[in-house]
Amino acid sequence: QSVLTQPPSVSGAPGQRVTISCTGTSSNIRSLYDVHWYQQLPGTAPKLLIFGNTNRPSGVPDRFSGSKSGASASLAISGLQAGDEADYYCQSYDSSFSAVFGTGTRVTVL
Amino acid sequence: EVHLVESGGGLVRPGGSLKLSCAASGFSFSTYWMTWIRQAPGKGLEWVANINPDETKKDYVDSVKGRFTISRDNAKDSLYLQMNSLRAEDTAVYYCARAGHYNFDSWGQGTLVTVSS
Repeated sequence: QSVLTQPPSVSGAPGQRVTISCTGTSSNIRSLYDVHWYQQLPGTAPKLLIFGNTNRPSGVPDRFSGSKSGASASLAISGLQAGDEADYYCQSYDSSFSAVFGTGTRVTVL
Repeated sequence: EVHLVESGGGLVRPGGSLKLSCAASGFSFSTYWMTWIRQAPGKGLEWVANINPDETKKDYVDSVKGRFTISRDNAKDSLYLQMNSLRAEDTAVYYCARAGHYNFDSWGQGTLVTVSS
């Protein structure tokens, strides 16, 4: 199964905006397949953060936003807060209709 | 509120077997696809297997095909993962998750499986 590529880490000062990229291939993130994002706070299970490329589940602050274009997607966190320190994963499907996850990005608040 | 609780993890020797369970509540379990996802220590997430509501469709990541079996009991609102011929590389926290629209919208807290001699 293929994976989606993310930067290992990103960092920013409180209040800043950071973005996380998620890059696939023509076999996974393509125009037919949505991208979803998960937040995993230290020592906890992942939580769905963004679904269907741009949508936030109830309770997720609008500081978190997602986008998708072609074979790449991005997660943006604006107004960075200490509580946003976590690992973030993108997820989509490959051509065999198996779920694939990104390699994960650690967000650090300076 | 959706609630998923995994159990059954533990220490097992290479070549051994283990059966994980996931108790679901707070939603109509019998109408949802369900999934197992794992995370090796210090590593990322890996989808392991999924199952449709009536058990007619099951799919597995290549590395566990022929060794793991996903099943469910809709009468008991429970999901299972039978793991045989376990290897050191199967060591991970195993999460039970509810499948939404091509995503995983609710997760359990996970159960740790350690394969070691």
